[in-house]
Amino acid sequence: GQQVMQIPQYQHVQEGEDFTTYCNSSTTLSNIQWYKQRPGGHPVFLIQLVKSGEVKKQKRLTFQFGEAKKNSSLHITATQTTDVGTYFCAGRGGGYQKVTFGTGTKLQVIP
Amino acid sequence: DAGITQSPRHKVTETGTPVTLRCHQTENHRYMYWYRQDPGHGLRLIHYSYGVKDTDKGEVSDGYSVSRSKTEDFLLTLESATSSQTSVYFCAISESLGQNYGYTFGSGTRLTVV
Repeated sequence: GQQVMQIPQYQHVQEGEDFTTYCNSSTTLSNIQWYKQRPGGHPVFLIQLVKSGEVKKQKRLTFQFGEAKKNSSLHITATQTTDVGTYFCAGRGGGYQKVTFGTGTKLQVIP
Repeated sequence: DAGITQSPRHKVTETGTPVTLRCHQTENHRYMYWYRQDPGHGLRLIHYSYGVKDTDKGEVSDGYSVSRSKTEDFLLTLESATSSQTSVYFCAISESLGQNYGYTFGSGTRLTVV
C-alpha cells in the first residue's frame, strides 16, 4: 500500500532560523496536503498542492510539490515561537483514494 | 474547529470492557473518518464512512467497529478494549473524497485502557 515518510522526525531551531520538513511517497500522488498540530491540539489543514512542481506561499511558509508528484516540502522562513508544533503531510493517490498521513515532523523553536 | 465535536474528551476504561466514542458534525459533510494517533506512527485510519450506513475499513481496523445511522453522527466502538488501544482518537470530516478538500478534525478523545 501507499506509504508516506517524513523527515526529520524532530527538529529544534533557534528562533529566527529557517526550518524545512520533507515528505516522500512510495507512489505517485494526485495531491498532497499539509497540516499543523499544536501541542495538545488537533491537526489543522494548511494547504493542498495538486500540480506537478507547484509552489504555494502562506506568509513565511512555502510549500512545494515535486515534479514527479512523489515528494513535497514545507519551508518556514525565520521561525517564531508560534510555529511550534507537529507538521504532517498527507498524500492522496489517484482517483478517490483516501489520504495517507506521514509520520510528522515535530518542530521546537528555542527563544 | 466549529462544526465537529467529539465525546468524551477523556476516558479511562478497564481491559475487556466495551467503549464507544462519538463524533458529531453540524456541517452536513458526507465523509467522516476515525483516526488514532500514537507516537512515531502519525495518524492511522481506523474506519471511515461515505454516507449513512456506508462504512469501510482503514489500515488499523482490527478490534474496532463503527456505525453511522445519521449524517451527523459517527460512532467508534471498541468491542473489548485492550491496552494496545490506549491512544488519542481523532474524528475528521470532509466534503468530498475528491481532489480539493482538506479534512477538518475534532479535538480528539484521549483513551486510556488499564
